[in-house]
Amino acid sequence: DGGITQSPKYLFRKEGQNVTLSCEQNLNHDAMYWYRQDPGQGLRLIYYSQIVNDFQKGDIAEGYSVSREKKESFPLTVTSAQKNPTAFYLCASSIDRTGVYTEAFFGQGTRLTVV
Amino acid sequence: ELKVEQNPLFLSMQEGKNYTIYCNYSTTSDRLYWYRQDPGKSLESLFVLLSNGAVKQEGRLMASLDTKARLSTLHITAAVHDLSATYFCAVTGAQKLVFGQGTRLTINP
Repeated sequence: DGGITQSPKYLFRKEGQNVTLSCEQNLNHDAMYWYRQDPGQGLRLIYYSQIVNDFQKGDIAEGYSVSREKKESFPLTVTSAQKNPTAFYLCASSIDRTGVYTEAFFGQGTRLTVV
Repeated sequence: ELKVEQNPLFLSMQEGKNYTIYCNYSTTSDRLYWYRQDPGKSLESLFVLLSNGAVKQEGRLMASLDTKARLSTLHITAAVHDLSATYFCAVTGAQKLVFGQGTRLTINP
């Protein structure tokens, strides 16, 4: 079945440690996104990518890094520079044809906790 | 910069009542999306509205879009407890998808 897979579902990070969240899609979508959600809050855009080997910062990119080496994959690294990383992280993808964006589909999320 | 605002942010209502959630956005866009999120879960797509005057209905939920007013509404008819969730609207602009703050809807028996 087509969809977006995020892993792991739960992740624990020690202070000063980098961790990488995985996001894979088999929908043949061009665009992929990473969002952060804090308890009781909305979604804030971290990074997005419209095409392989290209990505742009969103509203809260500091302390995060991404790569887009393959169309299917858009991993997010939470670096030690991110001082408050505990949150729910959501990956999404959508078709991008000639700049027209369609519905975004979401993965099941990764809940990251600093211990 | 594209901004999306929802109101109300919190809504508590009784079963059987009708209510409307509003979504305003700041710059021109002809595509608007509504999502539902249950506690601790991801987002589920409800509606995609692609043109001015678009109206879509699914069960007790109906969404509409007025691109001239930059306004979308999500109307709940005869609410039932199963509709308790957080509802988000989102708009595409400048090659990215921007979300409203969400409306937390609680429906009481």
